[in-house]
Amino acid sequence: RKEVEQDPGPFNVPEGATVAFNCTYSNSASQSFFWYRQDCRKEPKLLMSVYSSGNEDGRFTAQLNRASQYISLLIRDSKLSDSATYLCVVRLGRANNLFFGTGTRLTVIP
Amino acid sequence: DAGVIQSPRHEVTEMGQEVTLRCKPISGHNSLFWYRQTMMRGLELLIYFNNNVPIDDSGMPEDRFSAKMPNASFSTLKIQPSEPRDSAVYFCASSIDGKGEKLFFGSGTQLSVL
Repeated sequence: RKEVEQDPGPFNVPEGATVAFNCTYSNSASQSFFWYRQDCRKEPKLLMSVYSSGNEDGRFTAQLNRASQYISLLIRDSKLSDSATYLCVVRLGRANNLFFGTGTRLTVIP
Repeated sequence: DAGVIQSPRHEVTEMGQEVTLRCKPISGHNSLFWYRQTMMRGLELLIYFNNNVPIDDSGMPEDRFSAKMPNASFSTLKIQPSEPRDSAVYFCASSIDGKGEKLFFGSGTQLSVL
């Protein structure tokens, strides 16, 4: 079983729409959670960390549900520039190992 | 800051040849990671170093793969001999802390083994 599982999509949404991605993780000992963004043919870049209390950064909201072992990312008022692959990332305990999901592809359509 | 620098950007080689990928982490970062990305398996950690010392190489596929970090500003990933199934994008990343929570990735090396 994979450590991190995501719906690969693609999600095709119109500009201005709200879109949400979920990600599930298998190890209940996981301690840190993140969303990375990867543009086509580019390297991944940290989008935001996910805190237990949930956190918001502009149009982006991340939430963690430890009981159900899933993480979500909500994007409001989608922009064309939001088109990318969104990677869910989990860190286990104190290990220096981050487990990446295979990503969810988002395309925002004009 | 120039960020994490990888070379080459693209490498095309024939099966059986040796391939060497290079990485220069961000100055001051004490952790360095090598990842491989494919469509099927996504990003997989191959090995990581902390203060130039290999900490976990359990992700290295087999003995054909080796990695070194002779100093804080340089690392190599070598594949010898290369095989077509090694074709992937290889990313190097560094982080300032020992937890690797915020990784800064290089632009990657697109490797094609024919």
